[in-house]
Amino acid sequence: AQSVTQPDIHITVSEGASLELRCNYSYGATPYLFWYVQSPGQGLQLLLKYFSGDTLVQGIKGFEAEFKRSQSSFNLRKPSVHWSDAAEYFCAVGARGDSGYSTLTFGKGTMLLVSP
Amino acid sequence: ETGVTQTPRHLVMGMTNKKSLKCEQHLGHNAMYWYKQSAKKPLELMFVYSLEERVENNSVPSRFSPECPNSSHLFLHLHTLQPEDSALYLCASSQVTGGRVDTQYFGPGTRLTVL
Repeated sequence: AQSVTQPDIHITVSEGASLELRCNYSYGATPYLFWYVQSPGQGLQLLLKYFSGDTLVQGIKGFEAEFKRSQSSFNLRKPSVHWSDAAEYFCAVGARGDSGYSTLTFGKGTMLLVSP
Repeated sequence: ETGVTQTPRHLVMGMTNKKSLKCEQHLGHNAMYWYKQSAKKPLELMFVYSLEERVENNSVPSRFSPECPNSSHLFLHLHTLQPEDSALYLCASSQVTGGRVDTQYFGPGTRLTVL
C-alpha cells in the first residue's frame, strides 16, 4: 500500500524568503503525485501534480515541485514567500482502483507560518 | 456556481438528530468522493462513487449513509452520530479516464460538530 510522509508539522518562514516543504512517498509503481493547499476553513486547492515527463513541475501561485525517484521525494518549493501563502500544505500519492477510479493517500500536512 | 460546492458550510447537531450534507460538482465529472478530515489525522477516504455506483466504502460506520442520485450530486446522510464524528467533511470529484490517475477537485467542506 502507498504512504506519504511529510516530516515537518510546522514551518515558519520570513516573508520574502525561500521555501521548501518536504514530501516522501512509498509506492510500488510509477507514482502520481500531488500537492494541495488548504487555507483555514477552506477545502483543498490543487497546486500542482506530477504524472510523467519533466521532473520539475510548475504550479499555481509561483510554486514548483521536483520529483526525485532515487529519493522517493516530491518536495515543494517557492523562491519568495508571501504572507498570503500561510496555510496547510498536503502532499498526496494517487493510485487507480479496480473499477478505474482513483484514490489519494495524503500526508498529515505541513502548516506554513509566514513571519513579517 | 463553479467547481465543487458543499452545503451547509457549518452544522451543529445532537447525537439523536438526522441531517444530510450535500455536494454538487459543476465540472462534468463522473466520480465523486467523501473524505473526513479530523484534527491531527490525515484525510480519510470514506466513500467513492464512480459512474453513480458506490465502488468503495472504507469501513465507515453505518451511521454514515451516502447517496449519489446522479453524477453531479452526492449526499451524506447522518444519524445517531457520536462526538468523535466531529470533523471537516470534504467532497471531491474527478473525471475517470483510462490508464491514468485522475485529479480530484475539492469542495470547501462542511464543518460538523456533534454535541
